[in-house]
Amino acid sequence: GAGVSQSPRYKVAKRGQDVALRCDPISGHVSLFWYQQALGQGPEFLTYFQNEAQLDKSGLPSDRFFAERPEGSVSTLKIQRTQQEDSAVYLCASSVDSYSNQPQHFGDGTRLSIL
Amino acid sequence: ILNVEQSPQSLHVQEGDSTNFTCSFPSSNFYALHWYRWETAKSPEALFVMTLNGDEKKKGRISATLNTKEGYSYLYIKGSQPEDSATYLCAFNAGGTSYGKLTFGQGTILTVHP
Repeated sequence: GAGVSQSPRYKVAKRGQDVALRCDPISGHVSLFWYQQALGQGPEFLTYFQNEAQLDKSGLPSDRFFAERPEGSVSTLKIQRTQQEDSAVYLCASSVDSYSNQPQHFGDGTRLSIL
Repeated sequence: ILNVEQSPQSLHVQEGDSTNFTCSFPSSNFYALHWYRWETAKSPEALFVMTLNGDEKKKGRISATLNTKEGYSYLYIKGSQPEDSATYLCAFNAGGTSYGKLTFGQGTILTVHP
């Protein structure tokens, strides 16, 4: 389809395992964003890319979180040595660019559960 | 830390009622205010991006107003329908060195009863 695609939709992992979450943005969208949503809260910003450049990673909660977008399209959010507090919905969004006040288009999210 | 607050936290209305809820945000360093609707099991859907003080935007039965000087935005739904049931999120963009970064409120959960 033409929307933002995230995979997997659901991920269950044991504490201490590494996980990788994938985001396919809308074709041609320059900006890509990652958010974390805990139960009952609004999404919280993690990081964003303009093409392949990671312009802001101030929201990444620890150095266990790492995001990349090597060719300026698909992005991967990696979480190493997962902890129970990492359980959340991880949302990816893309937009035409981040300067023109265009809306962000969201994927369905990946629901991560850490046991 | 930017503080974006939405009220009420949840709202139950009857079909046909009109309703409104509030988003408050910092009145300094304003760049844009976004509204999204998030239905269960779907992805958040963009409703409006508002940039100018006094802006009013409309999409069908849904409209929004913006007051950047006092730091609030209202979202109105006229003649609510059960399909309007969703979480409504506002998000503040302060611009500056991180134009793309949105700070979200916690959302207003709207339930419209037939």
